Amino acid sequence: NAGVTQTPKFQVLKTGQSMTLQCAQDMNHEYMSWYRQDPGMGLRLIHYSVGAGITDQGEVPNGYNVSRSTTEDFPLRLLSAAPSQTSVYFCASSPLISGANVLTFGAGSRLTVL
Amino acid sequence: AQTVTQSQPEMSVQEAETVTLSCTYDTSESDYYLFWYKQPPSRQMILVIRQEAYKQQNATENRFSVNFQKAAKSFSLKISDSQLGDAAMYFCAYGTGGGADGLTFGKGTHLIIQP
Repeated sequence: NAGVTQTPKFQVLKTGQSMTLQCAQDMNHEYMSWYRQDPGMGLRLIHYSVGAGITDQGEVPNGYNVSRSTTEDFPLRLLSAAPSQTSVYFCASSPLISGANVLTFGAGSRLTVL
Repeated sequence: AQTVTQSQPEMSVQEAETVTLSCTYDTSESDYYLFWYKQPPSRQMILVIRQEAYKQQNATENRFSVNFQKAAKSFSLKISDSQLGDAAMYFCAYGTGGGADGLTFGKGTHLIIQP
């Protein structure tokens, strides 16, 4: 029972490079989301999805793209990395039923942009 | 927009003692949920406790309990018999019914357990 799996755990990029953070869950959750965690800022929602083919923006979506082609996978793409995107990224999922809201988090991915 | 405020950046408690972490929130919704998450040095986010706003009874989970004051928009976490393993960042979070809009998190409180 893997839960939410994020890869890679650590990544260093140069400014302008692109990369994809992978997220997969095996709990058949409809809802998946990406957060970023910065020192002193708590977690902030980047993008989310309520099912395959449906995505929407959260609080801090600029510089990030997402897609949801399957229930299991929800990758986060950085098209042109910037130092401001240095952060720890968390993927989280939950069932989408009334009142559920209990997110299961992945272990996080630490991204450094030089 | 909803906001969650944790006014204590850091708290310290002696092992076996009781500590209370504060959280206030602002919302105009009537149907919502409140959470406390724990983040140990491993970075993993772990759900500690959840409270439904429509329930007047305060949630409890073993040594963890909350004091939910809906009118005051206050949601504090009490940890009894503190243990060394309780040392972590604690985040208060708010979510609305259905969950599609995600959670709004506070900035966290760093809890130190003194042996």
